[in-house]
Amino acid sequence: DAGVTQSPTHLIKTRGQQVTLRCSPKSGHDTVSWYQQALGQGPQFIFQYYEEEERQRGNFPDRFSGHQFPNYSSELNVNALLLGDSALYLCASSFHRALYGYTFGSGTRLTVV
Amino acid sequence: EDKVVQSPLSLVVHEGDTVTLNCSYEVTNFRSLLWYKQEKKAPTFLFMLTSSGIEKKSGRLSSILDKKELFSILNITATQTGDSAVYLCAVEGGSGNTGKLIFGQGTTLQVKP
Repeated sequence: DAGVTQSPTHLIKTRGQQVTLRCSPKSGHDTVSWYQQALGQGPQFIFQYYEEEERQRGNFPDRFSGHQFPNYSSELNVNALLLGDSALYLCASSFHRALYGYTFGSGTRLTVV
Repeated sequence: EDKVVQSPLSLVVHEGDTVTLNCSYEVTNFRSLLWYKQEKKAPTFLFMLTSSGIEKKSGRLSSILDKKELFSILNITATQTGDSAVYLCAVEGGSGNTGKLIFGQGTTLQVKP
């Protein structure tokens, strides 16, 4: 039973560049949420996708955008990278009713230099 | 503003000790409270609590929710070195009619042999 798969696991980018992170949800899940976890902090909600649409968004600038595909997988795009974007980016999948909680992937560690 | 506060932020105990981790919250449209264990990257699910006063148990771990006083505790008895991790408390709720998780900053638990 495949859990949540994220790629890549690590990434180093230069300030000003753009990055795309990918997430495949757990089998049977149709909703994908993205979180940013800075070092020593709890994860912060970025946005959530369901039925290929952004359902809700946290307090992140428009540089952060996403997409969900018909197979429920999702991408997170960040433009004009800043040093402060360095963090662990976690993807969480769930069934839309979220009756059984959320399953997290292992994350992508993004370092902006 | 929705917030989740965990205490203590860090804790060092010896094997065999019992620990209690605290989580208080002020979140609109509360749906559930979840506890996760984060060792390296992916937070792993421990408990999901929706009803007040009902203890959930899994082995040496247990948790209870008080919706009147807006807090939850996570107990770990007979701690082992393998319990060393960051424990995250999250509340599903917030504005909008979809679920998002609002996390606390986490409690770092170190169990010494």
